[in-house]
Amino acid sequence: EVQLVESGGGLVQPGGSLRLSCAASGFTFSSYEMNWVRQAPGKGLEWVSYISSSGSTIYYADSVKGRFTISRDNAKNSLYLQMNSLRAEDTAVYYCARHSGSYWGYFDYWGQGTLVTVSS
Amino acid sequence: QSVLTQPPSVSGAPGQRVTISCTGSSSNIGAGYDVHWYQQLPGTAPKLLIYGNSNRPSGVPDRFSGSKSGTSASLAITGLQAEDEADYYCQSYDSSLSGWWVFGGGTKLTVL
Repeated sequence: EVQLVESGGGLVQPGGSLRLSCAASGFTFSSYEMNWVRQAPGKGLEWVSYISSSGSTIYYADSVKGRFTISRDNAKNSLYLQMNSLRAEDTAVYYCARHSGSYWGYFDYWGQGTLVTVSS
Repeated sequence: QSVLTQPPSVSGAPGQRVTISCTGSSSNIGAGYDVHWYQQLPGTAPKLLIYGNSNRPSGVPDRFSGSKSGTSASLAITGLQAEDEADYYCQSYDSSLSGWWVFGGGTKLTVL
């Protein structure tokens, strides 16, 4: 059974940093591209970042470019999101999601999400 | 403002059929990129409902169907049930400069 479990969320002050983790199991993690998708309270879904299976190709949404860094450790079956210079508008539930289909594909499995709250 | 446009809400009585539209542009749906749909039950993570415009993952009832034409796509739900009450999101890929993977704003389905 595919499982994605996020952790690392919490309350952080504006300008602060946080590192999210996503532990994957039930599939060959190193063979799959992965993503982070977020959802602000009461709002819709927003794609945040993509990483290829090897980690060699990375993309970010304009809203987080230069502040967030996605990475992965295939030996540990883990995905990460380092978030720096956090702003109030980054407050959201952050989901890790497995990429499927073609490069321009879809997200076939999602974690339960971890809440990040940016507030003073 | 989402790149893909969905109605904020739709409703229907049990047993009825409802459709949810998803309108894009020439840089996403109209460019030939597939449309995918997700169901988000209250307080839970999104779940893949339809992929590749009209394909259902294993376990998704055939009451759910998807279609795509031109710059738009639709999700149809027949035989509406109380447990279908949820938020539904369409998703595609956008080839514009600020693109990548884009979502609709979501549609709240209320079962009357």
